[in-house]
Amino acid sequence: QQQVKQSPQSLIVQKGGISIINCAYENTAFDYFPWYQQFPGKGPALLIAIRPDVSEKKEGRFTISFNKSAKQFSLHIMDSQPGDSATYFCAASPKTGGFKTIFGAGTRLFVKA
Amino acid sequence: EAQVTQNPRYLITVTGKKLTVTCSQNMNHEYMSWYRQDPGLGLRQIYYSMNVEVTDKGDVPEGYKVSRKEKRNFPLILESPSPNQTSLYFCASSYIGFSDNEQFFGPGTRLTVL
Repeated sequence: QQQVKQSPQSLIVQKGGISIINCAYENTAFDYFPWYQQFPGKGPALLIAIRPDVSEKKEGRFTISFNKSAKQFSLHIMDSQPGDSATYFCAASPKTGGFKTIFGAGTRLFVKA
Repeated sequence: EAQVTQNPRYLITVTGKKLTVTCSQNMNHEYMSWYRQDPGLGLRQIYYSMNVEVTDKGDVPEGYKVSRKEKRNFPLILESPSPNQTSLYFCASSYIGFSDNEQFFGPGTRLTVL
């Protein structure tokens, strides 16, 4: 079974610090790597996404770093804020076979004020 | 307002009693999908659909059925629910395109099977 392994399961960061969440995948056919953010009682919402033809993508305080050879990608949240406290999911989907999307197990982030 | 709606939001039922969770989107998306979310397991895909009358299994399809008779609707059917199907369910939809595969999620349906 194709898997996406996400770590850590939970993360506590001080306000203003950097939050880092890592994901690793196995299937080299994956072509799209999004990160979703989920607040309690809500559905996940896309935060930022990357395709394997670039090694980094930045949107505001959020950056994805992508290492194709290592089959790893990570989310960096700079200047973490209490409002960033949520569950974060990485995901991957292949270029063929339709949209069989594989999600990581999730990381619960808590930013201390 | 562009959105994905699910009904009901909460459901408590008993083993074996057939139920349907509805999902509708107003964004004219071709792609729709169902996921279940369980603690420590993240989101697992149940079924997905690339267009009307086109459906395919995700990673955990056992015990579920879907249909896609209209572009906007993608109901999830549990013919004979069991306690291990107690979970939080999300419907999602997406435009199909090379550069934009963002999935828009509904608010979730919390199902308890006694």
